[in-house]
Amino acid sequence: DTGVSQDPRHKITKRGQNVTFRCDPISEHNRLYWYRQTLGQGPEFLTYFQNEAQLEKSRLLSDRFSAERPKGSFSTLEIQRTEQGDSAMYLCASSNDRGLTDTQYFGPGTRLTVL
Amino acid sequence: GDSVTQMEGPVTLSEEAFLTINCTYTATGYPSLFWYVQYPGEGLQLLLKATKADDKGSNKGFEATYRKETTSFHLEKGSVQVSDSAVYFCALTINSGGSNYKLTFGKGTLLTVNP
Repeated sequence: DTGVSQDPRHKITKRGQNVTFRCDPISEHNRLYWYRQTLGQGPEFLTYFQNEAQLEKSRLLSDRFSAERPKGSFSTLEIQRTEQGDSAMYLCASSNDRGLTDTQYFGPGTRLTVL
Repeated sequence: GDSVTQMEGPVTLSEEAFLTINCTYTATGYPSLFWYVQYPGEGLQLLLKATKADDKGSNKGFEATYRKETTSFHLEKGSVQVSDSAVYFCALTINSGGSNYKLTFGKGTLLTVNP
């Protein structure tokens, strides 16, 4: 396993710009999660994919956020018209549905700074 | 809703001291419990887990026991090292029979171990 990878690791953008992040899960992991972590807080759930299907979205995910997972492999998270409040660490995690417990493995995160 | 409460940090200890980080939870269903660790500049790593009452998770000298009667999952280590300096997160997921095992995290506890 090469682990979960995320790209880019850091992104600085100006308010109003669109940004897109990519997550590559551990191969053969059919579940993929996005979380957001702000300073001094634990990660908060944003959205979940089972294979290519997006099955749940948090109320934290406003209409400016969209996520995709074409072909059930990598995933992208796009934020349109960024706001300063979007500044955070965006974490991706993956897991599979073998066994009784879902153990999620996290990527290094993408740190977004909106100026 | 589901929630996790951790003791507030920061926690500062001397090397070889005993560590306890308290964690309590409220859950709408039957949870699995986790401790994740985030070392400086790195992503979240699973430290240990427990999936049912009275289970003890252990790894790298750390232990935590799933106590249903007190809704707790306190993290302990008998002798900490400088290399244990990190942020520790308690988390839960609900075994609802569905497929979305989203994690609910506490706010994290910063541990600093001095030589």
